[in-house]
Amino acid sequence: DVVMTQTPPSLSVAIGQSVSISCKSSQSLVHSDGKTYLNWLLQNPGQSPKRLIYQVSNLGSGVPDRFSGTGSEKDFTLKISRVEAEDLGVYHCVQATHVPLTFGSGTKLEIK
Amino acid sequence: VQLVESGGGLVQPGKSLKLSCSASGFTFSSYGMHWIRQAPGKGLDWVAYISSSSGTVYADAVKGRFTISRDNAKNTLYLQLNSLKSEDTAIYYCARGALFDYWGQGVMVTVSS
Repeated sequence: DVVMTQTPPSLSVAIGQSVSISCKSSQSLVHSDGKTYLNWLLQNPGQSPKRLIYQVSNLGSGVPDRFSGTGSEKDFTLKISRVEAEDLGVYHCVQATHVPLTFGSGTKLEIK
Repeated sequence: VQLVESGGGLVQPGKSLKLSCSASGFTFSSYGMHWIRQAPGKGLDWVAYISSSSGTVYADAVKGRFTISRDNAKNTLYLQLNSLKSEDTAIYYCARGALFDYWGQGVMVTVSS
């Protein structure tokens, strides 16, 4: 199984600051179709997850452009510029290139 | 787009349960669908996937015990949970497609005697 190592496990940031979250996979996430199925999700407290980024760097519908995703092969980063109060929650990376699909362990973002 | 799960509850170890995910607002038959679960206070854990053509794949932890299926006429996704164990206790979510673009609100399954 592909192991997704997500860091840091938690962050505490002030409104307006920028943060980055890392997700590293134990295998390349490039699919045989040439696409890289690495997604980022946000789970606000008490809510179901919602998608932020798909295929490494594509912003989901309705997602503010303060969120951005970069990376390739085995190394991926989610960046949040100018953090807002609504960004608090747990961020998850998930790879859908290989079966079984696997998730990172999550990064809990708290607002100072 | 809306996904609404139902069918959860408290069940004894070894018993069965069937979850449903009712889909609306899109052409259900055109999309693969996932079941993903989250144990209390834990991270997300992929359970199973069914393609638009009804091909299925499962996590090893549930293979042989759980069955994912779909009824395109009813716009509904199912998860049959058999031989339940305490470690299956979790919120179960359905989610759309390889891009996980829509999720349901989740349904709680508690396995306990």
